[in-house]
Amino acid sequence: EVQLVESGGGLVKPGGSLRLSCAASGFTFSGYTMNWVRQAPGKGLEWVSSIRSSSTYINYADSVKGRFIISRDNAKNSLYLQMNSLRAEDTAVYYCARAVVGVSNWFDPWGQGTLVTVSS
Amino acid sequence: DIQMTQSPSSLSASVRDRVTITCRASQSISSYLNWYQQKPGKAPKLLIYDASSLQSGVPSRFSGSGSGTDFTLTISSLQPEDFATYYCQQSYSIPYTFGQGTKLEI
Repeated sequence: EVQLVESGGGLVKPGGSLRLSCAASGFTFSGYTMNWVRQAPGKGLEWVSSIRSSSTYINYADSVKGRFIISRDNAKNSLYLQMNSLRAEDTAVYYCARAVVGVSNWFDPWGQGTLVTVSS
Repeated sequence: DIQMTQSPSSLSASVRDRVTITCRASQSISSYLNWYQQKPGKAPKLLIYDASSLQSGVPSRFSGSGSGTDFTLTISSLQPEDFATYYCQQSYSIPYTFGQGTKLEI
């Protein structure tokens, strides 16, 4: 079974840092682009960052550029998101999602999410 | 950035109704359009990819159509488990963007 499991969320003060992890299983992790997508409480979905299979191509949303760092360890089948200089508006459930490529590319599956709360 | 606009934002319907949700892109995105379903407290689930391809395991009452800037998601006969929020998403260019969501309610 293809599965993604996030961890590392929690309560952090503004200006603080947090590192999220996503453990992948049931597929060849090293062959896929991976993404982080977040959802603020009661709001819609916002793409955060993506990383190609060999980490050679990385992209960020403008809202997190310069503060967040995406990385992966293919040997450990794991995806990471290092979040620095956190702000209240970063409060959200963070999902990792595998990108599947066809004509376009789409996110499937998604992990269950991990909640990050930025508050003093 | 490409803006995705869904309509309506919310929709009241009944079991066995036929429902259509519309998604419009701010510029042409060819068929680079996907649809997701999200239930409260759960992760989004892929329904439709490449505008009209049904994801494996998704019931055939779901269908997608469109290309360019205008797209639709149709549920041919609503079932109780279909009451959820639906999102469109473009993968034509980064940043990938989602519509604001359509909440389907009884």
